[in-house]
Amino acid sequence: DTGVSQNPRHKITKRGQNVTFRCDPISEHNRLYWYRQTLGQGPEFLTYFQNEAQLEKSRLLSDRFSAERPKGSFSTLEIQRTEQGDSAMYLCASSLRLDKDTQYFGPGTRLTVL
Amino acid sequence: AQRVTQPEKLLSVFKGAPVELKCNYSYSGSPELFWYVQYSRQRLQLLLRHISRESIKGFTADLNKGETSFHLKKPFAQEEDSAMYYCALTRLYAGNMLTFGGGTRLMVKP
Repeated sequence: DTGVSQNPRHKITKRGQNVTFRCDPISEHNRLYWYRQTLGQGPEFLTYFQNEAQLEKSRLLSDRFSAERPKGSFSTLEIQRTEQGDSAMYLCASSLRLDKDTQYFGPGTRLTVL
Repeated sequence: AQRVTQPEKLLSVFKGAPVELKCNYSYSGSPELFWYVQYSRQRLQLLLRHISRESIKGFTADLNKGETSFHLKKPFAQEEDSAMYYCALTRLYAGNMLTFGGGTRLMVKP
């Protein structure tokens, strides 16, 4: 499968714990995006990378959230001190740098904070 | 700030009936509009984009800048069209971050 992959697919954690998600984009895609989707809503943009540079962050990305893409390939999204409001589907997408290029989405990581 | 509104959470039609999923947007610049679809147990995927002006799986969408709308239409719905549909926009030449609407679930009954 050469599409975007995300791990884990599901994560259940207790409030206050830290969690980390991983996204592997399509090979040679230099743009990588993170979105969050809560129940009954459309995805909301969190942040994006061009190669290893994080170029924009949404106001939704509080100080407890951090994202990295150290070598311009895979990316990680960490949430520290999780809260129940963090429960959501976290989606990753990748695209080529071209502004009109399509974003390809991964299957998502569903986070449940108890 | 940009915003996308899909007024219908659920649209139910019979097979063979016409379908129109509504999408309105607000954005002062030059947006690019998309429709994404998510079939059951599958990932989100691009259905069509206004720049391409093409018909995919019988669906078309016309950008109406005067009414700030980008409604998705299909003349004859099929059962396999049942899915979640999301309208989205992005700001041209600004990183391509997508702003999505809340989505409309289309149910096509036999």
